[in-house]
Amino acid sequence: DARVTQTPRHKVTEMGQEVTMRCQPILGHNTVFWYRQTMMQGLELLAYFRNRAPLDDSGMPKDRFSAEMPDATLATLKIQPSEPRDSAVYFCASGLTTAGQGVSYNEQFFGPGTRLTVL
Amino acid sequence: AQSVSQHNHHVILSEAASLELGCNYSYGGTVNLFWYVQYPGQHLQLLLKYFSGDPLVKGIKGFEAEFIKSKFSFNLRKPSVQWSDTAEYFCAVNREGGGADGLTFGKGTHLIIQP
Repeated sequence: DARVTQTPRHKVTEMGQEVTMRCQPILGHNTVFWYRQTMMQGLELLAYFRNRAPLDDSGMPKDRFSAEMPDATLATLKIQPSEPRDSAVYFCASGLTTAGQGVSYNEQFFGPGTRLTVL
Repeated sequence: AQSVSQHNHHVILSEAASLELGCNYSYGGTVNLFWYVQYPGQHLQLLLKYFSGDPLVKGIKGFEAEFIKSKFSFNLRKPSVQWSDTAEYFCAVNREGGGADGLTFGKGTHLIIQP
């Protein structure tokens, strides 16, 4: 049963510290998304990659957030320095986007999330 | 840019009652539509999706949704809810052909089913 995995599942840190969240997409999926869920804003798209290339990170505060895909099996989301307002659940999702008939869309599979608390 | 509106933030029903959760989107073009469910403490799971074809789509666990293009709506329905349906429900869209586009979610509806 293929699943998206995320580590850590929970992270408590102090303001100003660096936080790195990791995601392993489903093997064979070529599109990876990062979302953030808060009570106030709900689910928001932060950034996404296709074939490891960043396509859109307009939803991400660029002064402190960075997202990368060092290889096809790992996506990272880093916050430096972290702030209390970054406290949220961060979800990674992966999907398979195929070419040929133009760009088609397939279901996004979500990971279990990383619950981040910044004190 | 597209947006999604879910009108009911909290819904409380008794078991066996019928359910309808509203979802409206705004986008001038053609969209793909989704309903996701998040059970307490768990990650999002896809309930159903609409890409094209029959506007009445059936999903898992007895859920269905109807796409009404003229109303920009994609309401979720279930004829008889169970206690285990207690969860947060999210409507989401992305634009057709935006294969790698991320999803735009509504704020969610918290559904509580009373035994």
